[in-house]
Amino acid sequence: GENVEQHPSTLSVQEGDSAVIKCTYSDSASNYFPWYKQELGKRPQLIIDIRSNVGEKKDQRIAVTLNKTAKHFSLHITETQPEDSAVYFCAASSTDSWGKLQFGAGTQVVVTP
Amino acid sequence: DTEVTQTPKHLVMGMTNKKSLKCEQHMGHRAMYWYKQKAKKPPELMFVYSYEKLSINESVPSRFSPECPNSSLLNLHLHALQPEDSALYLCASSWGGEVPNEQYFGPGTRLTVT
Repeated sequence: GENVEQHPSTLSVQEGDSAVIKCTYSDSASNYFPWYKQELGKRPQLIIDIRSNVGEKKDQRIAVTLNKTAKHFSLHITETQPEDSAVYFCAASSTDSWGKLQFGAGTQVVVTP
Repeated sequence: DTEVTQTPKHLVMGMTNKKSLKCEQHMGHRAMYWYKQKAKKPPELMFVYSYEKLSINESVPSRFSPECPNSSLLNLHLHALQPEDSALYLCASSWGGEVPNEQYFGPGTRLTVT
């Protein structure tokens, strides 16, 4: 089955700096890669996703890149703000998996003012 | 309506109790999911319903029994749980179909088994 590894487990950044979280996956059939943000006590919320036919996707301060050959994808947050502090999960899914998401272990991001 | 709702928000139950968790969505989604999440861990898939049929059971103990009465509702019946079953139980929904797509999560039910 699919295995997703996520690094780092914790990330501290100064407000205004950039943050990068990296994930690798094992199943070459995976073709959908969402990123979820979960604030303390809240539900996971999708912040951006990318499909395997696209190499990069951007939404304001957030971007995701995908390297299918190397089987890794990354989340980039620019101009970080205190409200970006949360746990971020990457995930992977494939067409034949009934929508099953295989999550990474998560990254605790702390943005200090 | 772009929300998934879950009731109750909190539940405390003894090991001999029977209780049910409820999940509802009105987005027309045809896939619904139950996840279990422990503190500081990612959501862990338990069950997937696709078009009201159970598609995935991730080897979940029989003390957890899912039910999908219709395309908008998903229940999780609990019986004879163990303290280690204490966790946040999240419901999610998506359009379903062969191509994976965004899953919308509910706020969860915080379950404590005493």
